[in-house]
Amino acid sequence: DAKTTQPPSMDCAEGRAANLPCNHSTISGNEYVYWYRQIHSQGPQYIIHGLKNNETNEMASLIITEDRKSSTLILPHATLRDTAVYYCIVRVAGKGAQKLVFGQGTRLTINP
Amino acid sequence: SAVISQKPSRDICQRGTSLTIQCQVDSQVTMMFWYRQQPGQSLTLIATANQGSEATYESGFVIDKFPISRPNLTFSTLTVSNMSPEDSSIYLCSVQLTSDTQYFGPGTRLTVL
Repeated sequence: DAKTTQPPSMDCAEGRAANLPCNHSTISGNEYVYWYRQIHSQGPQYIIHGLKNNETNEMASLIITEDRKSSTLILPHATLRDTAVYYCIVRVAGKGAQKLVFGQGTRLTINP
Repeated sequence: SAVISQKPSRDICQRGTSLTIQCQVDSQVTMMFWYRQQPGQSLTLIATANQGSEATYESGFVIDKFPISRPNLTFSTLTVSNMSPEDSSIYLCSVQLTSDTQYFGPGTRLTVL
């Protein structure tokens, strides 16, 4: 079973910041938080991951709370092409093959 | 990242037949994975395929139904055997790079009539 909880759907206006929450209250100290998205049945696309510090790349920012029990993915200026299902996954890194356990994700719709 | 291709991109098959899906990556990787995504559902791992060893299957998936080959570090195949309409899904391969991040192929959309 997935170890994360996400809202099933969200809407955001084009050009605004999209903030996607994720709860992972049972996360272990050696588990990372990964975010992927899937655009209309394409293969999932890696977005970002982090352990405990906030992370930023060209796609998004990841904010992890101090107790690591929740996180927020931020798309700073959402476009219509960001409409997708977003998956938050916790996973141990650095110990060989570690499968990704996908939950149901959040269906984000960007509105013009 | 890695460039991953899958063949075929989609297929329509008759029940009782088998289909082999190919996954090719542009760099050598030790770990490859096969996932299934049934209509309207999330992804489920079928098996982990490491080069030089037998594939490791998840609960609910068996080698007779989903045989996997991993002949080298850039290629793998998944066969869906004796298909039924319940096998209609998107099948995806992924690779794990040394950065521990997994990257996914574009998927193979299978419809079984």
